[in-house]
Amino acid sequence: KAGVTQTPRYLIKTRGQQVTLSCSPISGHRSVSWYQQTPGQGLQFLFEYFSETQRNKGNFPGRFSGRQFSNSRSEMNVSTLELGDSALYLCASSPGQGFSSGNTIYFGEGSWLTVV
Amino acid sequence: AQTVTQSQPEMSVQEAETVTLSCTYDTSESDYYLFWYKQPPSRQMILVIRQEAYKQQNATENRFSVNFQKAAKSFSLKISDSQLGDAAMYFCAYREVNNAGNMLTFGGGTRLMVKP
Repeated sequence: KAGVTQTPRYLIKTRGQQVTLSCSPISGHRSVSWYQQTPGQGLQFLFEYFSETQRNKGNFPGRFSGRQFSNSRSEMNVSTLELGDSALYLCASSPGQGFSSGNTIYFGEGSWLTVV
Repeated sequence: AQTVTQSQPEMSVQEAETVTLSCTYDTSESDYYLFWYKQPPSRQMILVIRQEAYKQQNATENRFSVNFQKAAKSFSLKISDSQLGDAAMYFCAYREVNNAGNMLTFGGGTRLMVKP
């Protein structure tokens, strides 16, 4: 069974540009979450989607947005990039709604974004 | 808001020895979940162990065990018989029970070095 797949793995963008990152969850998983990891701020929750609906959102500006498709694949978009957006963006998927001992959250290897 | 604090930025342990990583958290909730995640150089977050707050018994997974002190809001990870492959960043994480989603609040991380 394939794990959580994130593309692209590495990318470099210029300030002011926008970027789209993609995440394919584990087959059968309906929940996809996104996290930003930076040396200064650590791991911060961006948002979560379940069945194409955003059900949780972290404290990030509106330049950060996301969506989920009917096949559970998710994309996140960052517009008007700033230097501070340079980070590792991690995607996580889990089977379904709520938490149970079987509802483990699985992470991808992340997308490294560098803004210059 | 919930906060998770890891007071040890770095720890080192001799191979085959035991090491304990500390984590404290702040919440007004009575029921929640706590996790330890390992992040190796590949950057993929791997679940090490989980603890449900309503369970008084400390969780154990092979060489990994926790010391959960609910009143003190403390959740430490003990790694026994440390192996070179245990070298990684370790993150403590918190999740609400009442939140239907999968939003995790992470601590700042502890870098564990294992000396041969």
